[in-house]
Amino acid sequence: DAGVTQSPTHLIKTRGQQVTLRCSPKSGHDTVSWYQQALGQGPQFIFQYYEEEERQRGNFPDRFSGHQFPNYSSELNVNALLLGDSALYLCASSLNTGQGFYEQYFGPGTRLTVT
Amino acid sequence: AQRVTQPEKLLSVFKGAPVELKCNYSYSGSPELFWYVQYSRQRLQLLLRHISRESIKGFTADLNKGETSFHLKKPFAQEEDSAMYYCALSREGNNRLAFGKGNQVVVIP
Repeated sequence: DAGVTQSPTHLIKTRGQQVTLRCSPKSGHDTVSWYQQALGQGPQFIFQYYEEEERQRGNFPDRFSGHQFPNYSSELNVNALLLGDSALYLCASSLNTGQGFYEQYFGPGTRLTVT
Repeated sequence: AQRVTQPEKLLSVFKGAPVELKCNYSYSGSPELFWYVQYSRQRLQLLLRHISRESIKGFTADLNKGETSFHLKKPFAQEEDSAMYYCALSREGNNRLAFGKGNQVVVIP
C-alpha cells in the first residue's frame, strides 16, 4: 500500500487561474481531509469529505471547493487564484469508525505556487 | 474557536540532553491533543496522542487541563529526533485538526 498519494507534486499557476489537486486515500480509508500549509505555518483545515459529501469546513472562502468520488479519492479545486494561495496542500485520509478520533494519514502534499 | 500555541520556533539541543517542546491550547470543551512529527523528506505522521498515554520513541506528553498544556518531553535526545514537531488539537467528536506553527528540533551530535 503506497499510503496516501497526491498529484501533482508541484504546480505553478498565474493569478486568476483555476487549479485542481488530486488525492487518493490509503487503502481501506473512506474519509478525506484537506489542509493548507503556508510557509512557516502549521497546516490549516480546509474541509473534509465523507460519503461523497462535504462534512466539515474550515475558514476558507467559497473559491475553495472539493469533491469525493465513489472510490473515495478526492479533488480540491481553487478558483480565481490569489498570490496568498501559494502553499503546500496536504491531503489526509482516515477510516470513519463512527466513534472517537480516526487517525489521519497524510500524503506528501502538492506545492502550489501562484505568480 | 480552538487555538494551539507553540512558542519556540527552533530548538537546538545536544545529543543526550533532555528535550521539551511546549504546547498550549485554548478550547473550552474536552479536547483531544496530539503531537505530529515530520522528518526530513518524509510526510507528516502521528507521534502520539494524549488518550493513549503511551511513550513513543522515548517521547511522552501529559495533558494538563488546568494549565491547558500538552508539552512533549524526552529525557535523552538522539540525532534521529531532529525533525519538525507539530502540536494539534481536535474537538470532542470532531475529526478535524487544529495545528500549532510547529517546532524545528535540531539535535547536535
